Amino acid sequence: QKEVEQNSGPLSVPEGAIASLNCTYSDRVSQSFFWYRQYSGKSPELIMSIYSNGDKEDGRFTAQLNKASQYVSLLIRDSQPSDSATYLCAVNVGGGADGLTFGKGTHLIIQP
Amino acid sequence: EAGVTQFPSHSVIEKGQTVTLRCDPISGHDNLYWYRRVMGKEIKFLLHFVKESKQDESGMPNNRFLAERTGGTYSTLKVQPAELEDSGVYFCASSQDSWRDTQYFGPGTRLTVL
Repeated sequence: QKEVEQNSGPLSVPEGAIASLNCTYSDRVSQSFFWYRQYSGKSPELIMSIYSNGDKEDGRFTAQLNKASQYVSLLIRDSQPSDSATYLCAVNVGGGADGLTFGKGTHLIIQP
Repeated sequence: EAGVTQFPSHSVIEKGQTVTLRCDPISGHDNLYWYRRVMGKEIKFLLHFVKESKQDESGMPNNRFLAERTGGTYSTLKVQPAELEDSGVYFCASSQDSWRDTQYFGPGTRLTVL
């Protein structure tokens, strides 16, 4: 059974600091990895996607993937109060099974 | 460009009744997905359409759930008869391409079965 694990938090980070969010997955054949942000009562919104080992940067966000360790992370630099939300890690194994497998999400709180 | 839309936003029904949820994907997106989040749990995949065909329905919980996508445009998800454990938020998502492409989520339908 495919599983995606995240620390549910809450993770509290001071404004301006780096927030580090982690995720592990169980299915070794997973091919694509996504970080979604979800504000309370809203729909998930894509922050980053990553497909290859290493780092991928987009503005204040950096996604890191290590397929050997089955680990993906998201770093948020210069955290802002507006970054406070639940961050969902999602994994796709591809090959026709294209539904995303989600973790429960990490609740991030940026303290002003 | 309009995003994924879902109707209704909320639905409250009695156990044993029937409810139909609707999803309109982003125009031109061939791939349409249904997901569900029950309280305290993670978002779970239900099924995936490519145009009007069911590509993967491995996540459908039981035969009380019926999804259709006639003509490859909007989709409906019918629950008949509804049970208490069907309560949750039902999300629809669409993507242009398959596994590598971003899935854009709709606002969800909150279903409460009493």
